[in-house]
This record gives sequence, structure tokens and C-alpha cells, in this order.
Amino acid sequence: GAVVSQHPSWVICKSGTSVKIECRSLDFQATTMFWYRQFPKQSLMLMATSNEGSKATYEQGVEKDKFLINHASLTLSTLTVTSAHPEDSSFYICSAEIYEQYFGPGTRLTVT
Amino acid sequence: SQQGEEDPQALSIQEGENATMNCSYKTSINNLQWYRQNSGRGLVHLILIRSNEREKHSGRLRVTLDTSKKSSSLLITASRAADTASYFCATDAGRYSTLTFGKGTMLLVSP
Repeated sequence: GAVVSQHPSWVICKSGTSVKIECRSLDFQATTMFWYRQFPKQSLMLMATSNEGSKATYEQGVEKDKFLINHASLTLSTLTVTSAHPEDSSFYICSAEIYEQYFGPGTRLTVT
Repeated sequence: SQQGEEDPQALSIQEGENATMNCSYKTSINNLQWYRQNSGRGLVHLILIRSNEREKHSGRLRVTLDTSKKSSSLLITASRAADTASYFCATDAGRYSTLTFGKGTMLLVSP
């Protein structure tokens, strides 16, 4: 089946630093990848839609300069949280789409 | 606007019992999907039901869809402790469209 990986699984960083999260489709090519954010005991909220070779489309209220998305190839999208703050601590989940969305295992970010 | 509101928010049952979760949505959809998420993990796709379908089965799972009421239900029969997880419904309005997730139901199945 279609497998999506994320790296790292969890990361702890200091306030003010930047963190990059990778999302890879391992056995298929995905023209579209999605990034979601999930706070504890809450649902997934779509942050942005990423298409290979073009700029990401951000949902309302998501700062594009803070959450940089690069969809460099059909198998890789990266999310960089710039100048991270404690309120950015969350669970970030990506998905890759080929006929349907396949979800990665998530990355837990803790900003101290 | 928020799509996919689940109820109940949390449900605690004993092993062997059935668990029913409901999902309501606000606008027209093409498909409705149910996912499971174990604590701190990614999503596991359970089942997809299309807007022209009314009921679908997969193992111990039974999903219904009532487009006139804009609601869906997920029934897990003969629950097991391993079914303990959060369950989310997600709607999409077309191919390559974004998914909108509901708030989820936390299910606890006690041995």
C-alpha cells in the first residue's frame, strides 16, 4: 500500500530556532501534499496544500512566512517552522495524495 | 465553516459491546471517510463511503450515510480493548479536494 513517512518523529527545540519537518511518499508519486496541525485532544486542522513545483496554498489564519512549505519533488515536501515559539508546539501531520490521501505518522514538535 | 462534528465527544464501553459514533456535516459532499488515531500517532484510514451509498461494511465496522440529514454513523461491533482510540470523520467535496475533519470521538474500551 501507499506509505508516507515523516522525519523526525519528534523534535524539541529552543524558542527562536527553526525546525524542518520532512514528508515523503515512499512508494508513489504525489502531486499534492497536505500539512495538518493537531493540538492535544483536538482535531486536525489543515494548514496548507502543497503542489509540486508551485507555491503552497495556505489556509486562512496560517502565516506563510512562519510556516514555510517547499514541495521540491513528487515524493518530498518540507515544512519549516521559522522562529518557533512555545505556542507552535503541536503535532504536525502530512498527507500525500494519489486518488486519496495517505497520512504520515506525524511529528511532535515541542518548543521550550 | 466546521464540517464533520462528531458525537459523542467521548465514549467508554466494555469489551464485547458495540460502539456507535455519529458525524454531522454542513455542506454537500462527495465522500465521507472515517479514520482512527491512536494516541500520539498518525491516522489510519478505516472506510470511505460515497455520497450515493447508504451503508458500507468492513469487518466489524458498519458505516451509514444519510445525505438528507447530512449525517453519518460508525458502528464498531464486538469492541476490543485494541479499538481504544480517537475516531474522526472527514468530508471532501470533490476529487483532489481538501479534507475537513470533525472534532473526533475518543473511544475507551475497557477489558
